Amino acid sequence: QVRLVQSGAEMKRPGASVTISCKGFGYTFTDYPLHWVRQAPGQSLEWVGWIVAGHGNTTFPKKFQGRIAITSDSFASTVNMELRSLRSDDTAIYYCARGLSAPGIGGNWFAPWGQGTLVTVSS
Amino acid sequence: SYDLTQSLSLSVALGQTARITCGGNNIASKNVHWYQRKPGQAPVLVMYRDGNRPSGITERFSGSNWRNTATLTISRAQAGDEADYYCQVWDSNIWFFGGGTKLTVL
Repeated sequence: QVRLVQSGAEMKRPGASVTISCKGFGYTFTDYPLHWVRQAPGQSLEWVGWIVAGHGNTTFPKKFQGRIAITSDSFASTVNMELRSLRSDDTAIYYCARGLSAPGIGGNWFAPWGQGTLVTVSS
Repeated sequence: SYDLTQSLSLSVALGQTARITCGGNNIASKNVHWYQRKPGQAPVLVMYRDGNRPSGITERFSGSNWRNTATLTISRAQAGDEADYYCQVWDSNIWFFGGGTKLTVL
């Protein structure tokens, strides 16, 4: 059974950093990209970035560039996402999700998703 | 940036058909994917590339995409279909989500 398991909830002060891990089970980890998506309270889903697990290439939306890093440990089938200089509006549930695609089709769709990690940023 | 517009909420009577829409400029030129999120649970893919159902998703779910509107249709709505539904597209190497529609089954 393909599944993603994330690390536990985190509580951080503004300005701190947080690292969330996502471990894949039931599939060849390096064959699929891994995305991060977050959902702040009362808000919609927001794509945070992705890593091509087999190559280590990453892409992020402009709003996160400079304070986010996504790394992959293929041997451990784990991807870590670090978000730095945390602000209160970074408070959200962060999800990892496996990216799926088809030959000749641009973009991924996401399945499955991890269970989510609540990150709370508060002074 | 690519804006996706969804109605905040939609109500449907038990056993009737719910149509959840996602509006975007010439959205028919893009592949649209749909996710269902129930309270306290992670999102689940229920439709990909406009009208393709993942394994394990009931055939009561169908999808279409035409001109400026993509639609997720839920036939014979059941209480278990109550959830938030999000559309998603890929544009310029960025993934965008709609604001989500809360489906209530009466």
